[in-house]
Amino acid sequence: GIQVEQSPPDLILQEGANSTLRCNFSDSVNNLQWFHQNPWGQLINLFYIPSGTKQNGRLSATTVATERYSLLYISSSQTTDSGVYFCAVDGNYGQNFVFGPGTRLSVLP
Amino acid sequence: NAGVTQTPKFRILKIGQSMTLQCTQDMNHNYMYWYRQDPGMGLKLIYYSVGAGITDKGEVPNGYNVSRSTTEDFPLRLELAAPSQTSVYFCASSYLFLGAEAFFGQGTRLTVV
Repeated sequence: GIQVEQSPPDLILQEGANSTLRCNFSDSVNNLQWFHQNPWGQLINLFYIPSGTKQNGRLSATTVATERYSLLYISSSQTTDSGVYFCAVDGNYGQNFVFGPGTRLSVLP
Repeated sequence: NAGVTQTPKFRILKIGQSMTLQCTQDMNHNYMYWYRQDPGMGLKLIYYSVGAGITDKGEVPNGYNVSRSTTEDFPLRLELAAPSQTSVYFCASSYLFLGAEAFFGQGTRLTVV
């Protein structure tokens, strides 16, 4: 089945810093989503981005489907950005949503 | 527009007890899914449904059962709870099986003691 890798596994930032999270996947996909899981466990949709670039406030994402990766950019990070960021893709062979292992982000005041 | 609603939010079960996790969506999505998330890990698919009356196993189905009698509801049943089922359970729905945005519920945190 499709494999999803995320890097880095852990990231510690000072408030105000910028960061880039990466998601690599092993096969072509129909869908890719980025989620933020906050410290209370809630899973929040950030982007639905099978290809192209999207922006939402301080966050933006780019997926290059032909090269099988996606990037999530966080600018001017805030303590509320802390949590785990997951990338999830669906494969072409009926595998609904395979999640990556996540990147744990800690933003320090 | 509630989206995907899960109940309960928290539950503690004793070994061998049974329970049903409820999931309802109001977006008229055909596709619904149950995932579990073990501590420090990503989500794994337990069961999914492509429409009322149709369900299929995902990656980790053992110890669980599902049913789908209506488009809106997709309950997950644990028959004989085991400590290995201690996890956070997420229900999700989407309009299409492949290629569509998936919407997740807020999760049910289950502890089996």
